[in-house]
Amino acid sequence: AQSVTQLGSHVSVSEGALVLLRCNYSSSVPPYLFWYVQYPNQGLQLLLKYTTGATLVKGINGFEAEFKKSETSFHLTKPSAHMSDAAEYFCAVIYGNNRLAFGKGNQVVVIP
Amino acid sequence: DTGVSQDPRHKITKRGQNVTFRCDPISEHNRLYWYRQTLGQGPEFLTYFQNEAQLEKSRLLSDRFSAERPKGSFSTLEIQRTEQGDSAMYLCASGTAGYGGFFGPGTRLTVL
Repeated sequence: AQSVTQLGSHVSVSEGALVLLRCNYSSSVPPYLFWYVQYPNQGLQLLLKYTTGATLVKGINGFEAEFKKSETSFHLTKPSAHMSDAAEYFCAVIYGNNRLAFGKGNQVVVIP
Repeated sequence: DTGVSQDPRHKITKRGQNVTFRCDPISEHNRLYWYRQTLGQGPEFLTYFQNEAQLEKSRLLSDRFSAERPKGSFSTLEIQRTEQGDSAMYLCASGTAGYGGFFGPGTRLTVL
């Protein structure tokens, strides 16, 4: 069964510092991987996705993620955090019938 | 607006009452998904439609839950005899093959 692990429910980062959110997955087939962002009381917005091809994927708002098959990882990074990046971030893997399995999420707090 | 819409955005009900939520997907998407998200957790898959056919239901979807998608357009999710444990955010997503989905803003249900 496919599953996603996100460690550290709360992540604090200083404004201007690197944002790094870790995601590891288990999948019996080549995975499609996603990162979503959720602002308070809103739905999920797609940041980026990996399907095939280039393993470094660039998304919206300056975020990028790298698929590393050997490490079964899909970590999300942003070089310089902005106050507007404060939100909850979810890593997800797609499986049968294109439904998503999500990690528990990381609540990102940006410190001025 | 061509995104996924959900109605209502918030619903407060008393235990034992029935509630119904509506989801309007992106018009060209033939796949529609319902997810449930409880506090501090990632969304969990509930059910999936391809056009008007309900092709998969999660074990989370008890007999009190029913979903429909008449004519393959909008979808409704009904919960009968609500319980406090049903309090959650109910998210709808629509998509096409090979893609996890575009999410709506969600309906937050509070059962008193």
